[in-house]
Amino acid sequence: AQSVAQPEDQVNVAEGNPLTVKCTYSVSGNPYLFWYVQYPNRGLQFLLKYITGDNLVKGSYGFEAEFNKSQTSFHLKKPSALVSDSALYFCAVRPSGGSYIPTFGRGTSLIVHP
Amino acid sequence: GAVVSQHPSRVICKSGTSVKIECRSLDFQATTMFWYRQFPKQSLMLMATSNEGSKATYEQGVEKDKFLINHASLTLSTLTVTSAHPEDSSFYICSAEDPSTGYGYTFGSGTRLTVV
Repeated sequence: AQSVAQPEDQVNVAEGNPLTVKCTYSVSGNPYLFWYVQYPNRGLQFLLKYITGDNLVKGSYGFEAEFNKSQTSFHLKKPSALVSDSALYFCAVRPSGGSYIPTFGRGTSLIVHP
Repeated sequence: GAVVSQHPSRVICKSGTSVKIECRSLDFQATTMFWYRQFPKQSLMLMATSNEGSKATYEQGVEKDKFLINHASLTLSTLTVTSAHPEDSSFYICSAEDPSTGYGYTFGSGTRLTVV
């Protein structure tokens, strides 16, 4: 069975500082990995994905993530945080073959302080 | 990217009544849609997978007769909460595979259901 772990319920960072939101996964075979962001009372918005190729993936709003196969991780990063980045972030995984149903992590609340 | 429209965004209903939530894919055909429930500050709980033209596949522990899912066309899936109770109050979100992102998913804006 596939699973996603987001070990931090909340990440606090000062505006202008770099941010990292952690994600590790477990899946049979090659993973398809995703990051989504959710603002209050809204659905999830796609940020970026890793399917194949370059391990460093760049996405929307200046976010990027690095796929590390040996550590089964897909941490979300941004060089300089903005207050407007404050939201709930979800990591998701699905296998490249078989089930197309994604598994989501429990979410990490990112709070960027002015 | 592809857009999924979900309505209503908010609904308040009385206990014992039924509420229908619609999820439409606006610019693509979605043979499969997913329905999630989200509790405050918690992750998404997959309730069911909605398949166009066939019965939905429900996750373990989800009452089929309470949460009726219909996927009558390639662009519309509906979730009906029947005989609603206060414990059904939650945030419900639909999603579909997004052909524009390749293997990713696009989500509706969610429906806040409050049962009084």
